Amino acid sequence: EVQLVESGGDLVQPGGSLRLSCAASGFTFSDDWMHWVRQAPGKGLVWVSRINSDGRTTNYADSVEGRFTISRDNAKNTLYLQMNSLRTEDTAVYYCARVKNWMFDFWGRGTLVTVSS
Amino acid sequence: QSALTQPASVSGSPGQSITISCTGTSSDVGGYNYVSWYQQCPGKAPRIMIHEVSIRPSGVSSRFSGSKSGNTASLTISGLQAEDEADYYCSSYASSSTYVFGTGTKVTVL
Repeated sequence: EVQLVESGGDLVQPGGSLRLSCAASGFTFSDDWMHWVRQAPGKGLVWVSRINSDGRTTNYADSVEGRFTISRDNAKNTLYLQMNSLRTEDTAVYYCARVKNWMFDFWGRGTLVTVSS
Repeated sequence: QSALTQPASVSGSPGQSITISCTGTSSDVGGYNYVSWYQQCPGKAPRIMIHEVSIRPSGVSSRFSGSKSGNTASLTISGLQAEDEADYYCSSYASSSTYVFGTGTKVTVL
């Protein structure tokens, strides 16, 4: 059974940093592109970033480019999102998701990041 | 990277059919056959319903179908049931090697 479990969400002040993790199991993690998607409270889904299977190719939404860094450790089956210079508008539930055949086919339950003073 | 445009809400009676539109540009919806649709129930993670415009993954009811014309994709739910009440989002691959989601549609079963 595929499982994605996010962790690391917390309350942080504007300008602060946070690192999210996503532990994967039930599939060959090193084969797949992985993504982060976020959802602000009561709002819609917003794509954040993606990383290819070997970690060498990454892409970001304009809103996080230069502030967030996606990475992965295939030996630990874990995906990361390093978030720096956090803003109040970054407040959201952050989901990790696997993409296969151009679809987000498995999602974690999400971890809540709150940016507030 | 503007969000794809969806109607905020769509409603229908049990047994009816409804269609949700998803309008983008030639750089996303119109440029690729990589449109997918997701159902999200309150407090839950999204669930894939349709991928590559019209392909239904295993386990998804045949009452769900997808199509695309130009820069607009559509999700149709036939034989509407109470359990279909949820938020629905479209998504597309985009030319900047990114993905974009729609604004979301709340489906209400009357």
